[in-house]
Amino acid sequence: GENVEQHPSTLSVQEGDSAVIKCTYSDSASNYFPWYKQELGKRPQLIIDIRSNVGEKKDQRIAVTLNKTAKHFSLHITETQPEDSAVYFCAAPMAGGTSYGKLTFGQGTILTVHP
Amino acid sequence: GAGVSQSPSNKVTEKGKDVELRCDPISGHTALYWYRQSLGQGLEFLIYFQGNSAPDKSGLPSDRFSAERTGGSVSTLTIQRTQQEDSAVYLCASSLRARADSSYEQYFGPGTRLTVT
Repeated sequence: GENVEQHPSTLSVQEGDSAVIKCTYSDSASNYFPWYKQELGKRPQLIIDIRSNVGEKKDQRIAVTLNKTAKHFSLHITETQPEDSAVYFCAAPMAGGTSYGKLTFGQGTILTVHP
Repeated sequence: GAGVSQSPSNKVTEKGKDVELRCDPISGHTALYWYRQSLGQGLEFLIYFQGNSAPDKSGLPSDRFSAERTGGSVSTLTIQRTQQEDSAVYLCASSLRARADSSYEQYFGPGTRLTVT
């Protein structure tokens, strides 16, 4: 099955700085890489995703980059704001077998943005 | 449209009792997942239903846990003889049917907070 490793487990930045979270995955056939944000007491929600036919995708202050050769993808948040403080999860799907499409989540990164 | 709903939102039960947690996925979503999230922890996969295929039960922590999905829609997670370590938030998520060449966004429900006393 898929194995996803996420780093760092905690990240503390000053407001206005950039934040980068990195994930590695094991299944070279994986083709979809989402990032979820979970605010305290809330459900996880998708913030951005990338498919394997592109190397980078941006949406305002957030971006995701994908390196298929190295099997890693990263979340970049620029000009961080206190409301960016949350837990962020990456995920990758199983690309084959009877459970294809099943997402495996990383361990999560607790991002704290200090005003 | 309506999102994923779960009930109850909170459940307090005594150790040794059985509990049933319900998930109503988004209409038309054939993939359904159950996860467990302990305080401050990540998403622990429990079970995955994909259309009419046999469910992937590889994440169920013990035989006290079971789940079913009736008519390809509503799902129920049952925990028998609850233990204190079962206390957690149980999250359900649904998505469109994954294809061999693509996957889709999972939409999460609000969760059920289970407390075993």
